[in-house]
Amino acid sequence: AQSVTQPDIHITVSEGASLELRCNYSYGATPYLFWYVQSPGQGLQLLLKYFSGDTLVQGIKGFEAEFKRSQSSFNLRKPSVHWSDAAEYFCAVGAGDTGRRALTFGSGTRLQVQP
Amino acid sequence: EPEVTQTPSHQVTQMGQEVILRCVPISNHLYFYWYRQILGQKVEFLVSFYNNEISEKSEIFDDQFSVERPDGSNFTLKIRSTKLEDSAMYFCASGGQGTGELFFGEGSRLTVL
Repeated sequence: AQSVTQPDIHITVSEGASLELRCNYSYGATPYLFWYVQSPGQGLQLLLKYFSGDTLVQGIKGFEAEFKRSQSSFNLRKPSVHWSDAAEYFCAVGAGDTGRRALTFGSGTRLQVQP
Repeated sequence: EPEVTQTPSHQVTQMGQEVILRCVPISNHLYFYWYRQILGQKVEFLVSFYNNEISEKSEIFDDQFSVERPDGSNFTLKIRSTKLEDSAMYFCASGGQGTGELFFGEGSRLTVL
C-alpha cells in the first residue's frame, strides 16, 4: 500500500528566507508525486507534479521539487519565501498509470511566514 | 480555465439527517473522486468512480455513503444518516485519462449538530 510521510507538522520561516518541506513516500513501483497547497478555508491547488523524466520539477509560484528515488523523497523547495506562501502544504503519491487510482496524501505541513 | 465546482459551500444539518453534496467535474474527465478532511487533519480518500461504477473505496466509505452520477455532468455524494463525526470538509476531484493528476473543487463544509 502506498503511504506518504511529512515529518514536519509546522514550520516557521522569515520572509525572504529559503524553504524546504520534506516528503517521504512508500510505493512499490515508480510513483506519481504531487505537491498541493491549501490556503485557509480553500481547496487544494496543485503546485507541481512528477511523473517521469527530469527529477527536478518546476511548479507554480516559484516552487520546485526534487525526486530522489534512493531516498524515497520528494522535497519541496523555494529559494525565497513570500508572506503569501503561508498555507498548508500536502505531498501526495499515486499510481497514476490510468488516473484511476486514488492519491494518498501526507498529513500536511503548515507553513508560517514571519515578516 | 475549467474547474471542478461544488455545492453547497457549507451545510449545517442535524444528526441523523440525509445530506447530498454535489459536484460538477471538469467536462472531459472520466475519473471522479470524493475526499474528506476533518478539521486540522489530513485529506482522506473516500471513493473513486469510473465508467459509472465505484472503482475503489476506503474503509471510511461504509454503507451510510453512496455516490451517483445521475446525469452527464453531476457527481454526488450522499450520506444517508449523518453522524457527528461526519463533520468535515468534503472535496470532489476529477481526473483525465492517463495523467494521474487530480483537480480539486473548493470543498463543501459539512457541520453535523
